[in-house]
Amino acid sequence: QQQVKQSPQSLIVQKGGISIINCAYENTAFDYFPWYQQFPGKGPALLIAIRPDVSEKKEGRFTISFNKSAKQFSLHIMDSQPGDSATYFCAASQLLIQGAQKLVFGQGTRLTINP
Amino acid sequence: DAGVTQSPTHLIKTRGQQVTLRCSPISGHKSVSWYQQVLGQGPQFIFQYYEKEERGRGNFPDRFSARQFPNYSSELNVNALLLGDSALYLCASSLLGGRPWTGELFFGEGSRLTVL
Repeated sequence: QQQVKQSPQSLIVQKGGISIINCAYENTAFDYFPWYQQFPGKGPALLIAIRPDVSEKKEGRFTISFNKSAKQFSLHIMDSQPGDSATYFCAASQLLIQGAQKLVFGQGTRLTINP
Repeated sequence: DAGVTQSPTHLIKTRGQQVTLRCSPISGHKSVSWYQQVLGQGPQFIFQYYEKEERGRGNFPDRFSARQFPNYSSELNVNALLLGDSALYLCASSLLGGRPWTGELFFGEGSRLTVL
């Protein structure tokens, strides 16, 4: 059951351009929305995260926009660089009955930045 | 400082065999989570352990089991391996296990399991 839908599956952007990746969710119990970056052969690394009481969060070239009513959030990478080429995953955090915090990931977006 | 370490990095098993994967969390972290990442997909939650107790389990069959040791390291065991168990198994550690949720999961580089 896919609870977090991510698009596009792949994205090619020219160096210096803006990369935009979108995610949508259904479960209103989600209360934390991180984005992870994964390079080949490596584990995912936290890039930036947002809580639903905030509509936007910016860290350097990375910005999350969050629309609670639409249950959508997106990652914007400004001035995209070849080093940003990686797979990006959005995720949503869910508190389980036993007290565990579970991350539900999107399918991933393979981003390629052309020099 | 050492990050999350996992072993082995790669392994090949045949159907029906059993496998044990190991994880050492970041020093000071008390929670370990396990995720399965099938090629081309996002990671899927298998287990979370906090203070040596299972705190959550994902939608995986009973063939999957785990435990956490007093030093907070963890093992994931998978019995009666199926072809579909081929995946990258990721271990992640965090300072706490639940609320207050600090948010950050630190992932290891994973153990790539191939089942033939």
